[in-house]
Amino acid sequence: QQPVQSPQAVILREGEDAVINCSSSKALYSVHWYRQKHGEAPVFLMILLKGGEQMRHEKISASFNEKKQQSSLYLTASQLSYSGTYFCGTGIGAGNMLTFGGGTRLMVKP
Amino acid sequence: ETGVTQTPRHLVMGMTNKKSLKCEQHLGHNAMYWYKQSAKKPLELMFVYNFKEQTENNSVPSRFSPECPNSSHLFLHLHTLQPEDSALYLCASSPHRGPYNSPLHFGNGTRLTVT
Repeated sequence: QQPVQSPQAVILREGEDAVINCSSSKALYSVHWYRQKHGEAPVFLMILLKGGEQMRHEKISASFNEKKQQSSLYLTASQLSYSGTYFCGTGIGAGNMLTFGGGTRLMVKP
Repeated sequence: ETGVTQTPRHLVMGMTNKKSLKCEQHLGHNAMYWYKQSAKKPLELMFVYNFKEQTENNSVPSRFSPECPNSSHLFLHLHTLQPEDSALYLCASSPHRGPYNSPLHFGNGTRLTVT
C-alpha cells in the first residue's frame, strides 16, 4: 500500500520554510526522498533507515519516526532551485521494493 | 557518458504499432527497473531485473514485454497499446535489488503517447 504525502502542494516565498510529510500504514524499514523537476528525472535527496540518524542534504533535512510510521522532509530557507515535486519512497524490509507516495508539488517564488 | 540514459525522449504510437524503449546505465549497477509515471498517480513499479534476471513483474499487462540482455541495458517492448498506457516511462538502476540502503538513479524518461 502506497504511503500518503501531505500537503499535496505548497507555495513558498524565497527564504521561507516548509515541511513535507510521508505516512505509511505499515511498519517501515527505510524511507527515500527524491525531487523531480518538470521534464527531468527524479533525483535522489536522502535515505533514512530504521534506527538511523536524521539526514541532511544542503539545507534540506529529514527525520524518520518509526513509531508513527512517518517521515518528514524539512526545507529551510527555501531557494528558487527547491521548486519541483518531492516524492517519498518507503520500504518495509531489506529485500522489498520501494512504494512511492503521490508527490508534493513545491513552488518557490521570488 | 555517465548516469542512466533513455531513448527516445518522446514517442507517439498508434494502438497497432510495435515500438521499443531503451535504457542504458553506465554506473556499474546490477539492478534495473521500469517505472510508469501517470498524471496524478504515484510512480508505479513495473519490472525489476537483478543480474539480468527478472525478479519482479508487478501484474503488468502482456502488451508490455521487458528484455534485459546484460546488466547495462534494459528494453521495454510495446505492442497493441491502449490510450490509457500514455505516460512517462522511467528507467532506474541501483547497485543491488531493493534498494533499501542505496539510491535509485533514474533516467529522464520516455514520454509515450498512444493515439
